[in-house]
Amino acid sequence: GAVVSQHPSWVICKSGTSVKIECRSLDFQATTMFWYRQFPKQSLMLMATSNEGSKATYEQGVEKDKFLINHASLTLSTLTVTSAHPEDSSFYICSVSSGRLLNEQFFGPGTRLTVL
Amino acid sequence: GQQLNQSPQSMFIQEGEDVSMNCTSSSIFNTWLWYKQEPGEGPVLLIALYKAGELTSNGRLTAQFGITRKDSFLNISASIPSDVGIYFCASSRNTDKLIFGTGTRLQVFP
Repeated sequence: GAVVSQHPSWVICKSGTSVKIECRSLDFQATTMFWYRQFPKQSLMLMATSNEGSKATYEQGVEKDKFLINHASLTLSTLTVTSAHPEDSSFYICSVSSGRLLNEQFFGPGTRLTVL
Repeated sequence: GQQLNQSPQSMFIQEGEDVSMNCTSSSIFNTWLWYKQEPGEGPVLLIALYKAGELTSNGRLTAQFGITRKDSFLNISASIPSDVGIYFCASSRNTDKLIFGTGTRLQVFP
């Protein structure tokens, strides 16, 4: 499967600040990446689909102006949480489609965001 | 929205026992995937199923795509302590979006 990295692995920030999370596909070029959010003891919820060279597609209820996604290259997608608030504290995970079989997604190690 | 229901919600078993968990939906899906997630990490793909009735193994793990295309099960034989984690099913229809199940938390005691 694909190898995916995320940076940082954890971040603590003050309320009102912005935080950028990077997702990198290390071993192949990913035209599509996905961003998920997972609250404690809950399942993964898809936030948005990140398409290289075009605007991201957001799921219903996810504010696109708050969660800015940039997929500027085939190996890098970034998620910026703008004006973060304590309720944005969560585990953010990205994934990539292998390209061979789109339904198989391979996940990064996740980023734990804590907003004070 | 769409939801995949997993059962049981949690399992506490002794090392060496076999484990069975399932995932059901009210809708038909074309793909069933099983992932394992350990604390503080991203999910890892275990098995992918693409055809109704398909039975696939990966070591001690076996999963089947239900004939009705509305369910799937995952079995783990001869469990070991490193099997501990949360097991998620995930499904999709014709798009590449995945819907995740509610998860089954597995605890294995030596």
